[in-house]
Amino acid sequence: RKEVEQDPGPFNVPEGATVAFNCTYSNSASQSFFWYRQDCRKEPKLLMSVYSSGNEDGRFTAQLNRASQYISLLIRDSKLSDSATYLCVVKPILSGNTGKLIFGQGTTLQVKP
Amino acid sequence: NAGVTQTPKFQVLKTGQSMTLQCAQDMNHEYMSWYRQDPGMGLRLIHYSVGAGITDQGEVPNGYNVSRSTTEDFPLRLLSAAPSQTSVYFCASSSLRDRGEKLFFGSGTQLSVL
Repeated sequence: RKEVEQDPGPFNVPEGATVAFNCTYSNSASQSFFWYRQDCRKEPKLLMSVYSSGNEDGRFTAQLNRASQYISLLIRDSKLSDSATYLCVVKPILSGNTGKLIFGQGTTLQVKP
Repeated sequence: NAGVTQTPKFQVLKTGQSMTLQCAQDMNHEYMSWYRQDPGMGLRLIHYSVGAGITDQGEVPNGYNVSRSTTEDFPLRLLSAAPSQTSVYFCASSSLRDRGEKLFFGSGTQLSVL
């Protein structure tokens, strides 16, 4: 079983739609959680961290459910520019502060006009 | 501010050849790492470093060597290229101040081994 699992999609949605991605992780001792965004043929970039209390950044909302070991990302009012692959990322508790992160395979979003 | 610079962007090798992927960062980050990205597999950690002179293995280290003689540079060496090493390679750096959680990636190297 992969440590971090995502539905690869693609998710095809019209502009203005609300779309949600889920991600599950297998290690209950995982420490920190993130969403990274990767545009086609580009490097990944940090989109947002995910906190236990949930957090919001504009049209993006991230949630963490430690009991069920899943993380979600909600995008409201989708824009064409949101088309990308969204990577769920987990920091294992044993990694300390080494920069070692575990990446999911990514969920691809295509926003259509 | 260049950030993380990776070279080359593209490379084609024959089986058995060796080469070095270069990575340099100018942000004075303590941590540097190499990932490979394959379809359906996500990014997988090859090697990482927490400072000059210190390196360790990640999830998929076989066939690769690294060294970290300076804070800025973290080259990845392919000792004897194999078709299974065809992939996109990303170098990344992060800061102790951010607990190593915010990775800054280079633009990637697309490597094909024939």
